[in-house]
Amino acid sequence: DIQMTQSPSSLSASVGDRVTITCRASQSISRDLNWYQHKPGTAPELLIYGASSLQNGVPSRFSGSGSGTDFTLTINSLQPEDFATYYCQQGHGTFGQGTEVEIK
Amino acid sequence: EVHLVESGGGLVKPGGSLRLSCAASGFTFINAWMSWVRQAPGKGLEWVGRIRSKTAGGTTDCAAPVKTRFTVSRDDSTNTLYLQMSSLKTDDTAVYYCTDGRAYWGQGTLVTVSS
Repeated sequence: DIQMTQSPSSLSASVGDRVTITCRASQSISRDLNWYQHKPGTAPELLIYGASSLQNGVPSRFSGSGSGTDFTLTINSLQPEDFATYYCQQGHGTFGQGTEVEIK
Repeated sequence: EVHLVESGGGLVKPGGSLRLSCAASGFTFINAWMSWVRQAPGKGLEWVGRIRSKTAGGTTDCAAPVKTRFTVSRDDSTNTLYLQMSSLKTDDTAVYYCTDGRAYWGQGTLVTVSS
């Protein structure tokens, strides 16, 4: 199985901050990479697919980049509703360990 | 509108079996690759297994921890996805979600493995 390594595992940030989360695949997955936001008691919400395509309805402060083995999720100007756990996932495959974004 | 509705969860003893179902509607299920994902209490999301569409071969893959115990299948005539789970362990306790691998997710069904 391909392994997905996400970092950091958690971070503290303030409203308005720019946040960057990275994800590394153990082998090349081209651009087959999704990013999800997950809040307790709800289903995960797709933010980014194909490494950099913004899912319909997702605010433009979310962006994704990368290809091959190295990927990044950026949240520009963090909003109160963005405090959650974020996961990368190889398409129909392994998830990263998650990054919990907490309020500083 | 897309709906994915899981069912079949519940309490089962270690070593037991359970079959989860996921009823899909609102999209072209026959063309969709589908996956099962779980979240154990206090843990992150874990991919469990996937099944390709028939046109892509209809083959399945499961994650290493469940590979010899779980089977993913589908019935395209009823738009239903299945997860057959056997030799269940306490570590399999989790909320199980079905998903199209992107934006569509069910609400999850809880499986508790306990004596």
